[in-house]
Amino acid sequence: DAGVIQSPRHEVTEMGQEVTLRCKPISGHDYLFWYRQTMMRGLELLIYFNNNVPIDDSGMPEDRFSAKMPNASFSTLKIQPSEPRDSAVYFCASSPGTRYQETQYFGPGTRLLVL
Amino acid sequence: AQTVTQSQPEMSVQEAETVTLSCTYDTSESDYYLFWYKQPPSRQMILVIRQEAYKQQNATENRFSVNFQKAAKSFSLKISDSQLGDAAMYFCAYTTQGAQKLVFGQGTRLTINP
Repeated sequence: DAGVIQSPRHEVTEMGQEVTLRCKPISGHDYLFWYRQTMMRGLELLIYFNNNVPIDDSGMPEDRFSAKMPNASFSTLKIQPSEPRDSAVYFCASSPGTRYQETQYFGPGTRLLVL
Repeated sequence: AQTVTQSQPEMSVQEAETVTLSCTYDTSESDYYLFWYKQPPSRQMILVIRQEAYKQQNATENRFSVNFQKAAKSFSLKISDSQLGDAAMYFCAYTTQGAQKLVFGQGTRLTINP
């Protein structure tokens, strides 16, 4: 398996622009997670899905952030409008999800810089 | 609230030596899972080792082993025969059954001296 795939790997944009990050989870995994990593706040969960349904979005910073999972093999995280404080590395992760918590496998991340 | 604390922002070790990274956590749950992830300069998050709280036996993966002290809520990582490729940020993380989210510590930057 190719692992979790994220695109783009790097994104530089200007304040006010819309940014869309993409993720393809490992085939057969029922759970998909979006994390953000910054120097100030470390790694924090933004939202996660189970079988394409958003379960917990309490980590989404504000209404400018939205996430979707239209099918089992694709998810997007959108920021509109973007702000400089959104600059971070955004990780997507997936896990098989069974009765007990399974290991989460991370993608390579998208490094976002908002100027 | 669930918290994970890594008290060592930075550690260094000579190549081929052994190093131990510390981690403590706070939870009222009885069933949970603990992980160590490695993040090299590429920024890829790589699972190193995991431990189920209900298992008393410490997990081991080749040169990596843990010292899990449930009563003390401590979960340290021991790296034996350190190699240059072990240089990275190491994150301790925690999750409970049903919570489905990882709570990470702030990380420990490990440097390997040749």
